[in-house]
Amino acid sequence: EDKVVQSPLSLVVHEGDTVTLNCSYEVTNFRSLLWYKQEKKAPTFLFMLTSSGIEKKSGRLSSILDKKELFSILNITATQTGDSAIYLCAVTRYGGSQGNLIFGKGTKLSVKP
Amino acid sequence: DTGVSQDPRHKITKRGQNVTFRCDPISEHNRLYWYRQTLGQGPEFLTYFQNEAQLEKSRLLSDRFSAERPKGSFSTLEIQRTEQGDSAMYLCASSHGQGFSNEKLFFGSGTQLSVL
Repeated sequence: EDKVVQSPLSLVVHEGDTVTLNCSYEVTNFRSLLWYKQEKKAPTFLFMLTSSGIEKKSGRLSSILDKKELFSILNITATQTGDSAIYLCAVTRYGGSQGNLIFGKGTKLSVKP
Repeated sequence: DTGVSQDPRHKITKRGQNVTFRCDPISEHNRLYWYRQTLGQGPEFLTYFQNEAQLEKSRLLSDRFSAERPKGSFSTLEIQRTEQGDSAMYLCASSHGQGFSNEKLFFGSGTQLSVL
């Protein structure tokens, strides 16, 4: 059965800390991995990763994929209270509908001032 | 606002009643998706449309659920004879493009359904 496992499930840090969120997956015919940020209701897109070893970067956020070991990490440096959210990891498969994302349970990040 | 919009934002209903939700995708997006999310879980795929054609349905979508996208624009999701287990956030998303762009979904803020 296809699955996506995120760890930790929750994390509390202080402003300025650096955090690493983990996502491992077992999926048939892997196609891509996506990271989303969910603050209140609507998940918002962060990154899409399709190739191993190529870091995607946006401001203080960065992510990388390891297709051999079947995992991805999301790094947030110099955290701010506005980074508090649930971070969702999802994968897609070849052969499925391309919008059929398989999500993990998410990591709830709380950044304290 | 040109994002994905959903209506209503909240719906409280009694068990056994029918409910209908609406989703307006980003106007140039030809694909539309429905997901369901319960507390502490990630979103789960329910169904998707390419233009007006419903191309895939999850096993989660029981016979009590029906979705339509009559003119390839907005979509409705109806749940008949609601059960308490239907209580969840119902998220709509849309996407456009070829290849990997189709997987970059833009989500709405969802409809929170509570079945009493």
